[in-house]
Amino acid sequence: GNSVTQMEGPVTLSEEAFLTINCTYTATGYPSLFWYVQYPGEGLQLLLKATKADDKGSNKGFEATYRKETTSFHLEKGSVQVSDSAVYFCALTSFNKFYFGSGTKLNVKP
Amino acid sequence: NAGVTQTPKFQVLKTGQSMTLQCAQDMNHEYMSWYRQDPGMGLRLIHYSVGAGITDQGEVPNGYNVSRSTTEDFPLRLLSAAPSQTSVYFCASSYSKRGSYGYTFGSGTRLTVV
Repeated sequence: GNSVTQMEGPVTLSEEAFLTINCTYTATGYPSLFWYVQYPGEGLQLLLKATKADDKGSNKGFEATYRKETTSFHLEKGSVQVSDSAVYFCALTSFNKFYFGSGTKLNVKP
Repeated sequence: NAGVTQTPKFQVLKTGQSMTLQCAQDMNHEYMSWYRQDPGMGLRLIHYSVGAGITDQGEVPNGYNVSRSTTEDFPLRLLSAAPSQTSVYFCASSYSKRGSYGYTFGSGTRLTVV
């Protein structure tokens, strides 16, 4: 079946620290992979995506590379800001359905 | 503003009551879906629709009904509310049936069943 596993949080970092949030997946076929971000009290917003192996998605300083050989799509950012504090969801889509990870809460302290 | 609009934002129901959560999108998306979000469980798919007149069950459909009479609207009905349905509900839509472009999410409905 299809599933997404992400590292448990919360992750607490100081401003300007390097961020990695791990995400691995199990999927049939050739899924597209996504990272979504959810700020407090809001819905999920698409952060970045990759539709095939070796694609790199990027947005707002965040990056993730679709690694088929390790079935991973880790989220990285070189220097986090307080405004990046949110919950991050890794997701895949396969055959008309989305599958979400359980979310990783990121707290960035000044 | 283009996007997905959900109403109401908050709702408290008594056990056994029924209600409808509204969802509308103005992007002419064919694909729409409902998720519930519970702590530590991520998002779980309740029902989805690939076009007007076509709906299907997701992962957790019991206790919920949907219909899709127009492209724009995809309401979610709770038939007889139970405390286990206390959750945050999100409606989402997508241009592509394969979802390659990602979803656009509404801002959510926080439902409490007492």
